[in-house]
Amino acid sequence: EPEVTQTPSHQVTQMGQEVILRCVPISNHLYFYWYRQILGQKVEFLVSFYNNEISEKSEIFDDQFSVERPDGSNFTLKIRSTKLEDSAMYFCASRPGPTRGTFGSGTRLTVV
Amino acid sequence: ELKVEQNPLFLSMQEGKNYTIYCNYSTTSDRLYWYRQDPGKSLESLFVLLSNGAVKQEGRLMASLDTKARLSTLHITAAVHDLSATYFCAVDIGSSRGGADGLTFGKGTHLIIQP
Repeated sequence: EPEVTQTPSHQVTQMGQEVILRCVPISNHLYFYWYRQILGQKVEFLVSFYNNEISEKSEIFDDQFSVERPDGSNFTLKIRSTKLEDSAMYFCASRPGPTRGTFGSGTRLTVV
Repeated sequence: ELKVEQNPLFLSMQEGKNYTIYCNYSTTSDRLYWYRQDPGKSLESLFVLLSNGAVKQEGRLMASLDTKARLSTLHITAAVHDLSATYFCAVDIGSSRGGADGLTFGKGTHLIIQP
């Protein structure tokens, strides 16, 4: 069964550093998403991406965040200057249309 | 702002018992999702409910959707230990705005099933 692949599985970074989280969505999917889950809390929507542009973004997705689909297969989330409160599990998801989506296994980001 | 509320948030039950998890949401939507999450793992899609009155069943789990009441239920029949996990409902933001965008999740129901 096709999977959404995320790398790295765990990233530790110092406060103020830039991080890039990588995702390879399922190849025939059209909609791509980033979500985050702070430990023990609910999953929060960050941003959706369709037709090579941001479709929707939440209040969490401020100027520190950006997304790219640089080469037609990868989908990246960049955090420019990490803060302690950015520590969370970040999930990428994709779906072919407005139906069931597939989540990746996540990247655990720890900001120290 | 779309709000999704689940209850209970924590449930401990014995094997063999039945129980229902409730998911209420605040604005019009006709797409509701249920996910399972094991500790430290990703989200596994369980059900997608796409219309009023939709009912889906898989194994000991059955989900239903009442769009008029803005309520979905996840019913567990004759629970077994392997069903211990956190269950999330999520509503499609886009369906309240006419597009297919991100999901708004409930806080999750942490389910423990004891032998």
